[in-house]
Amino acid sequence: SQTIHQWPATLVQPVGSPLSLECTVEGTSNPNLYWYRQAAGRGLQLLFYSVGIGQISSEVPQNLSASRPQDRQFILSSKKLLLSDSGFYLCAWSRLLTLANTGELFFGEGSRLTVL
Amino acid sequence: RKEVEQDPGPFNVPEGATVAFNCTYSNSASQSFFWYRQDCRKEPKLLMSVYSSGNEDGRFTAQLNRASQYISLLIRDSKLSDSATYLCVVGSGYALNFGKGTSLLVTP
Repeated sequence: SQTIHQWPATLVQPVGSPLSLECTVEGTSNPNLYWYRQAAGRGLQLLFYSVGIGQISSEVPQNLSASRPQDRQFILSSKKLLLSDSGFYLCAWSRLLTLANTGELFFGEGSRLTVL
Repeated sequence: RKEVEQDPGPFNVPEGATVAFNCTYSNSASQSFFWYRQDCRKEPKLLMSVYSSGNEDGRFTAQLNRASQYISLLIRDSKLSDSATYLCVVGSGYALNFGKGTSLLVTP
């Protein structure tokens, strides 16, 4: 069966510090990978998606970046965090790039980031 | 205008009650529609897809009105375990747009 793991689960970082969140998927190959953010009182916002190694599409301009160094590894990074980066970050995978058929995204357990 | 709008609630209902959630979306070209469930401080999980003809899964019934760009979820015979946030999700191609969610609390 497929599993998705992301870490760390919780972190508190000062403004201006770097960030690295990691996500790995097991039990499937060539998944589509996503990073979402859920800020307090807001819906899930798609930040990045990837259809393959080294292929990253950004949905919103920001001080975050993503990388996919291996087929089942997706990393979210920042060089300098802002207060507004606080939120619940969710990694997800899907079988299809076009989600119209199943709509099923499988989410990791999330990483709760607080920037102080 | 936000792409997907939901009443945030909270909806507080007693066990056994019937409760309905509504959702509207702005993109008339949207192709796919879903309800996800998110427990407190947990990740969202797919609850059910929503089809034009309406569909039912046990106590849950979902309806779609494309002309009005409106989606609904009906929960019958509410259980304590139904307490969660219900996210309306609208898809177009690769993108899924999530509503902010409607909070449901089922009380004994």
